[in-house]
Amino acid sequence: NAGVMQNPRHLVRRRGQEARLRCSPMKGHSHVYWYRQLPEEGLKFMVYLQKENIIDESGMPKERFSAEFPKEGPSILRIQQVVRGDSAAYFCASSPPAAGTRPGANVLTFGAGSRLTVL
Amino acid sequence: GESVGLHLPTLSVQEGDNSIINCAYSNSASDYFIWYKQESGKGPQFIIDIRSNMDKRQGQRVTVLLNKTVKHLSLQIAATQPGDSAVYFCAENKGAGNKLTFGGGTRVLVKP
Repeated sequence: NAGVMQNPRHLVRRRGQEARLRCSPMKGHSHVYWYRQLPEEGLKFMVYLQKENIIDESGMPKERFSAEFPKEGPSILRIQQVVRGDSAAYFCASSPPAAGTRPGANVLTFGAGSRLTVL
Repeated sequence: GESVGLHLPTLSVQEGDNSIINCAYSNSASDYFIWYKQESGKGPQFIIDIRSNMDKRQGQRVTVLLNKTVKHLSLQIAATQPGDSAVYFCAENKGAGNKLTFGGGTRVLVKP
């Protein structure tokens, strides 16, 4: 079980360029979550997706950011026309299809993150 | 607004001593809480969770306590080891899928 796989681990972009971050969930997990973490801060929720559906995007900036989780392939977080304030660590997490009531059923498993630096 | 916050940003503890990390939450509708550990350069790692119908849960060297009356959550680490040095986050779930709201984190530094 390879866990949640994110790539690239590190990405450097110049202002105005596009950044694409990829996330492959754990085997058997159909729910994907993206979080952003600024240095020395907690994780901030961005978006929650199931296959081909965005369930909750309440944490996504209104412009330049988009996310998808196609039927085939990894989930993609896309940032267009990056600015320096986009520099952060972006973490993906996945969970099983159904939330349960037993302990551990709702646990999100996180990937190692993708660190974006905007010059 | 809804938030999950921590009392102490940094905790220094002597190796072998017990550590206690505190967390306050404001949303009484939250029904599930998790503690995560994050080491430098890595993603958060699950430690222990607790549902709102419980007030205590124990794992290996860790105990989570939940006081719903004052909306307080704590993580106790017994016999703290150098490998416990990390940032610890509490997180809450309000039942909308598995979306979690994280607190700001507490850094634990274990002194040899």
